[in-house]
Amino acid sequence: GQNIDQPTEMTATEGAIVQINCTYQTSGFNGLFWYQQHAGEAPTFLSYNVLDGLEEKGRFSSFLSRSKGYSYLLLKELQMKDSASYLCAVRVPGGFKTIFGAGTRLFVKA
Amino acid sequence: DVKVTQSSRYLVKRTGEKVFLECVQDMDHENMFWYRQDPGLGLRLIYFSYDVKMKEKGDIPEGYSVSREKKERFSLILESASTNQTSMYLCASTLASSYEQYFGPGTRLTVT
Repeated sequence: GQNIDQPTEMTATEGAIVQINCTYQTSGFNGLFWYQQHAGEAPTFLSYNVLDGLEEKGRFSSFLSRSKGYSYLLLKELQMKDSASYLCAVRVPGGFKTIFGAGTRLFVKA
Repeated sequence: DVKVTQSSRYLVKRTGEKVFLECVQDMDHENMFWYRQDPGLGLRLIYFSYDVKMKEKGDIPEGYSVSREKKERFSLILESASTNQTSMYLCASTLASSYEQYFGPGTRLTVT
């Protein structure tokens, strides 16, 4: 079966660093995405990892370990506007199909 | 600027009604997708299309059909709406050569 696990909710303080973990068990792997979704809005693309290692993009970094079926999204210097849901998703072989996790709702407090 | 639009943000329909949800993208993307998003379940793929008049079933196609007569437009049809189809519906599109999906703002459908 296809399964993606991520924590339901997390809370962090403005200016801090937070790590959102994602583990996956899928029938094949063609890449892992992170999307950000503010309440009532469309998901927007944050990152895509296909090889092991850390990809840094400004305040956001994403890490992948394919052998462990594990990824994390690291958010530095947290801002109030980072309060949102973060969706982990895996692209599986055989077409354009992407499996999404249920999302992690991040609350940033002052 | 990349844009995916959906015909309605909020929709209320009665059980048994036929419902049309429209999605339009202005990026000349080949691939288009319909998802539903429910709390605790994440986005689940209903149908996708990789070309005009082509369609493929996703994970939960039962009770839905789709139509793609033009490249920019992808319609989701609920033939006879039921209360368990109350959900947020999201449309997305990508280029055939790309992996990044661009999402529309979503339609929150309530079936009473």
